[in-house]
Formats: sequence, structure tokens, C-alpha cells
Amino acid sequence: DAKTTQPPSMDCAEGRAANLPCNHSTISGNEYVYWYRQIHSQGPQYIIHGLKNNETNEMASLIITEDRKSSTLILPHATLRDTAVYYCIVRVLMNNDMRFGAGTRLTVKP
Amino acid sequence: DAGVTQSPTHLIKTRGQQVTLRCSPKSGHDTVSWYQQALGQGPQFIFQYYEEEERQRGNFPDRFSGHQFPNYSSELNVNALLLGDSALYLCASSSINQPQHFGDGTRLSIL
Repeated sequence: DAKTTQPPSMDCAEGRAANLPCNHSTISGNEYVYWYRQIHSQGPQYIIHGLKNNETNEMASLIITEDRKSSTLILPHATLRDTAVYYCIVRVLMNNDMRFGAGTRLTVKP
Repeated sequence: DAGVTQSPTHLIKTRGQQVTLRCSPKSGHDTVSWYQQALGQGPQFIFQYYEEEERQRGNFPDRFSGHQFPNYSSELNVNALLLGDSALYLCASSSINQPQHFGDGTRLSIL
């Protein structure tokens, strides 16, 4: 299974775009990239997933490089409520066991 | 539409005791997964239940067992509790081609 590497922490100014990187250089052709976030004292929340095309939903955008070895989660206009730990996970199926690493702690500052 | 609900929210036990945690999945979901999250770490997969059978299992000892009922709800049982079992226990539900939805967990403290 592909492993992921994320920076341990990042800061972002409120109202600005937050760009969270993830490296997954050993990803297989049938593995998707999933992003979850966990706000303090809550369970993880699904954000978005993709295979090789860029994806966008009401929460975020996911940009996957052409070689699929890395990706970036973009929160276009970060708010204080976006302060959370963000996890990048690579798995084949949505209901596979999600293998969470340490994630990136994003702090959105006023 | 209720999401994933877990009970109780907090629990205190002593070493050697047994505990049962409960999970009701999101409406329309038939698969339940359990995770353990130690303080400051990401969640670790314990096992997954589908059609009342354990389908996948992570690297956890046999002291951890589970059950899924016909209505898709699930229980996590832990026997012979150790201090190291203190953690947040998360339940996630899903169905095929649907992302996993997590509850807010049960905080278990072992004294």
C-alpha cells in the first residue's frame, strides 16, 4: 500500500487559500487519494477524493499531479472553522480501512 | 438524517475490566468500521463488519472483538483492559462507493 508524507503543520491567514501538500510517490494505478480532516473533539470528516483528474466540491479542490506522485488539497477561502488536522490517505476503495498518518495540523489565523 | 452515533461519549474503567462500546450507522449504510485514536496520533483501524461478519482486521489483539446486528448497528468489546487501551474509539459507517462517515467517538479512560 502506498504511504503518504505530509508536513506536520501549516499556518494560513483567514480569507486566503490554504494549500496542503501530500506526497504519495509509491501510489498504485488503482489507488485513489482521499482527504479527511479532524476538527478538535470531533470524528474525521470526509472532504474529497480523486484518482487522476482534478476534483472540486463545495468544500475543497484536489489537484493531482500528472504522474500521480503528489497532490494538493486547496481550501479556497480559509476560515477559522477550517482549523483542523488534515489527513491524506491512499486506498483503493472508499470502504477500505483508512490508514491515517499523523496528518497536517492547519491553523487558520485572523 | 442522523449521522453516525456512538455511545457512551465518555467512559472510565479500571485495568482488567471489560467494556462495550456501541455504534449506530448513518441511514443507508451497511458497513461499520472501528478505529482507535491515541492522543496526538491518527486513528488506527481495528476491524470492519459487513453482513454481520468481520471482513477486515487491523493489528489488534484478540481482546478486541466486535459484533454487527441485523439493523447494521455494531458493538466493540474490549476485554482485560490495559492502561494502553485509553484512547478515543471511533466508529465509521459506509456503503459501497460511499465515503466513510465517522461518529464523534467514545473517550475511554483506563485507571
